[in-house]
Amino acid sequence: EVQLVESGGGLVKPGGSLRLSCAASGFTFSSYSMNWVRQAPGKGLEWVSSISSSSSYIYYADSVKGRFTISRDNAKNSLYLQMNSLRAEDTAVYYCARGVAGSSPSYWFDPWGQGTLVTVSS
Amino acid sequence: SYELTQPPSVSVSPGQTARITCSGDALPKKYAYWYQQKSGQAPVLVIYEDSKRPSGIPERFSGSSSGTMATLTISGAQVEDEADYYCYSTDSSGTQRVFGGGTKLTVL
Repeated sequence: EVQLVESGGGLVKPGGSLRLSCAASGFTFSSYSMNWVRQAPGKGLEWVSSISSSSSYIYYADSVKGRFTISRDNAKNSLYLQMNSLRAEDTAVYYCARGVAGSSPSYWFDPWGQGTLVTVSS
Repeated sequence: SYELTQPPSVSVSPGQTARITCSGDALPKKYAYWYQQKSGQAPVLVIYEDSKRPSGIPERFSGSSSGTMATLTISGAQVEDEADYYCYSTDSSGTQRVFGGGTKLTVL
């Protein structure tokens, strides 16, 4: 069974930093791209960042570019999100999701982890 | 930046057909996908590549796409289908991944 388990969320002050982790199991992690998607309280889903299987391709949403860094360790079956210069508007549940590439041009997220809550507040 | 537009809410009675739309300029060239999110849970994929249904998703869920609009159809909606539904696609370059604002489906 594919499992994605996020950790590292918590309360942080504006301007602070936090590192999220996602532990993957049940599939060949090194063969899949991975993603972070977030959801502010009571709001919709927002894609944050994607990283290819070998880390060769990395993409960010404009809202986090320059502040967040996505990375992965295929030996540890783990995905990370380093979040710096955090703002109140970064408050959200952060989901880790496996990327699935179908027939070009096709890419989607499946499955998702249960998420970890990040709260940015003084 | 690229946007996908959904109606905020749709309401149907049990057994009726619910249709949720998603509009976006790149949809003629890019696939649409649909996620179901029940309260307090992670999103679940219900339709991929416009109209394909993952294993385990009931047959009452179907998808279609024409021009700049994609549609999720739930034929014979059930109370357990009450959830938020999000469409997802990419911009024309394929590098920006975008969700629609979400549609709250009420079945009562």
